[in-house]
Amino acid sequence: GQQLNQSPQSMFIQEGEDVSMNCTSSSIFNTWLWYKQDPGEGPVLLIALYKAGELTSNGRLTAQFGITRKDSFLNISASIPSDVGIYFCAGVGAGGGADGLTFGKGTHLIIQP
Amino acid sequence: DGGITQSPKYLFRKEGQNVTLSCEQNLNHDAMYWYRQDPGQGLRLIYYSQIVNDFQKGDIAEGYSVSREKKESFPLTVTSAQKNPTAFYLCASSIVSQPQHFGDGTRLSIL
Repeated sequence: GQQLNQSPQSMFIQEGEDVSMNCTSSSIFNTWLWYKQDPGEGPVLLIALYKAGELTSNGRLTAQFGITRKDSFLNISASIPSDVGIYFCAGVGAGGGADGLTFGKGTHLIIQP
Repeated sequence: DGGITQSPKYLFRKEGQNVTLSCEQNLNHDAMYWYRQDPGQGLRLIYYSQIVNDFQKGDIAEGYSVSREKKESFPLTVTSAQKNPTAFYLCASSIVSQPQHFGDGTRLSIL
């Protein structure tokens, strides 16, 4: 299947710092999704991007759909302790997601005291 | 409340045993999905169903089976043919072409 390269694999940051992570693909996607997963729970949708070049915010989170449709990034500003978790990008191909999503391997965000 | 309910939260399997994981949704979504998650890995698609009485294999369907007799329910059976079943299993549902929403998962372990 298609592959998504998500980086970094993990991040160790101080509370209050800004965070940036990204996903790249060798294939074009029609939609990019960003999810957050807390330990022992299912992923929760943070932001959905439907159009190349689109920049969307959700509170302190901002995500962009790359112009080439092969990449996306997620920024978190002024991190707080509850931001800790694993962030996944997911791409939706030409099938509209009806045949499932392609996921990155996740970015594990850890906030140091 | 509307949502996706997975049960049980934790499940243990003995050698040679089949086990069934439950997934129920009351969101009136047509499409349902099963994913497997291993440590340090993204989610991998096992099976999906876009409509009642129809389902398709995903990327890692070997050793698993599903049924979709009702719109609300999409149970996953982990058969004895699945030699490495220890993982976190996630069920999702969606309106077709809309983002998927996930349940809280079932953690399966081997006794």
